[in-house]
Amino acid sequence: DIQMTQSPSSVSASVGARVTISCQASQDVRSWLAWYQQKPGKAPKLLIYAASNLQSGVPLRFSGSGSGTNFTLTISSLRPEDFAIYYCQQGNLFPITFGQGTRLEIK
Amino acid sequence: EEQLVQSGGGLVQPGGSLRLSCTASGFSVTSTYMIWVRQAPGRGLDWVSVVYSGGAKFYADSVKGRFSISTDSSKNTMYLQMSGLRGEDTAMYYCTKTQGSGWYFDTWGQGALVTVSS
Repeated sequence: DIQMTQSPSSVSASVGARVTISCQASQDVRSWLAWYQQKPGKAPKLLIYAASNLQSGVPLRFSGSGSGTNFTLTISSLRPEDFAIYYCQQGNLFPITFGQGTRLEIK
Repeated sequence: EEQLVQSGGGLVQPGGSLRLSCTASGFSVTSTYMIWVRQAPGRGLDWVSVVYSGGAKFYADSVKGRFSISTDSSKNTMYLQMSGLRGEDTAMYYCTKTQGSGWYFDTWGQGALVTVSS
């Protein structure tokens, strides 16, 4: 199975700050990479697909980049509603696998 | 608007059985890939099972032989029949569907909590 490793595991930041979360795959997943946001008690929400494509309705402050084994999710200017857990997920090879999550907390 | 509404879940004893349901609106469950994902308390997301639009079914090794995925087009509903339940199956179970262009999950159910305990 492809292992997805996110860093950091948690990060504290202030409203208005720029934040970057990294995701590394144990083998090449090309651009088959998605990012999700999950808030407490809620289902995950698709933010980015195919590494850099913004899902419909997702604010432009979210962006994704990378290919192969290294990917990043960037939030350009944090808003209060962005504090949540973020997961990456590879869709290149079965079984589908997720990263362990990055908790984004308010500083 | 595409939507998934889940039902089922609850407390079950080890070795017991339970069925989860996931009813779709705004699309047909047989027109896309339908997936079950679970999340143990305080943990990350794990893929459980998938049923392809053509009917093929696949399972994670951890549930193979114990869980069964199916769809009913007349009810536009997907099911997960779980048997031989173990403590490690305790989790929130989500149903979801693939976005048209790949293995990305664009619509999710609200989740159903399964607790396996005596």
